[in-house]
Amino acid sequence: EVHLVQSGAEVKEPGESLRISCKGSGYSFTNYWIRWVRQVPGKGLEWMGRINPSDSSSDYSPSFRGHVTISVDKSINTAYLQWSSLEASDTAMYYCSSPQFYGSAADYWGQGTLVTVSS
Amino acid sequence: EIPMTQSPATLSVSPGERATLSCRASQSVGTNLAWYQQKPGQAPSLLIYGASTRATGLPGRFSGSGSGTEFTLTISSLQSEDSAVYYCQQYNNWYSFGQGTKLEIK
Repeated sequence: EVHLVQSGAEVKEPGESLRISCKGSGYSFTNYWIRWVRQVPGKGLEWMGRINPSDSSSDYSPSFRGHVTISVDKSINTAYLQWSSLEASDTAMYYCSSPQFYGSAADYWGQGTLVTVSS
Repeated sequence: EIPMTQSPATLSVSPGERATLSCRASQSVGTNLAWYQQKPGQAPSLLIYGASTRATGLPGRFSGSGSGTEFTLTISSLQSEDSAVYYCQQYNNWYSFGQGTKLEIK
C-alpha cells in the first residue's frame, strides 16, 4: 500500500529556518515526481513546486521560486521543503503529493504539515 | 502558470439530485485536467484525471467531461457524504488549481 508520511506540525518565529519532510513507501519512489502544495487556512490549493526523485531536477511555481527550496534524498525515499527565512504569511498547511495518474490511476497525498509562523 | 476559474463558488443541491460543476482554463490544456474532492480536515482526494477517467475505486456517479478550456464535473444521485470542496487542476503546464466550488447538500 502506498503511503506518503509527512513530518509533524511546526511553530516558528519570523526569520527562522525550517525543513519539513515527506517519506514515501509502497511504490518505486524514483519513478514519480513529488510535488508540494500549500493551503492557507480557509483558502484554496496552490502548487509550489515539484522534484524528480530520480535525478533531483525541480520546477517551481513563479509565486514560490526563490522563497522555498525543494530537495530529495532518494536513499531514504524522502522529499523536503525548506525555508531559510520564514514569514508570517507562510502560515499554512503544506501537503506533498505523488501524482501517478497513468501508473496507478491515483494521486497519493501526505497527511499535511501545519506550519505556524508567529512572534 | 495557467489560471483556472471554477463556477459557481457555492452550490446547494438536494440529496438524490445532480450537481454540475464547471472549470475553465485560460488557455487550452487538452485533456490534462483533474478533479479533486476535499473534506474538512482532510487532504484532497483524486476523483478524475485525463478530464474523464475515474480514479481507482471512484463510484460511477462521478463523471468528468470536456477538453481544451471547458470542463465539467457531474455528480449524480447526490449523497450527504458528497458535501465537500471540489477543485479542478490542470497538469498540461506544470500545475495550477481552480479556486474551488463548495458543494452543500440541502
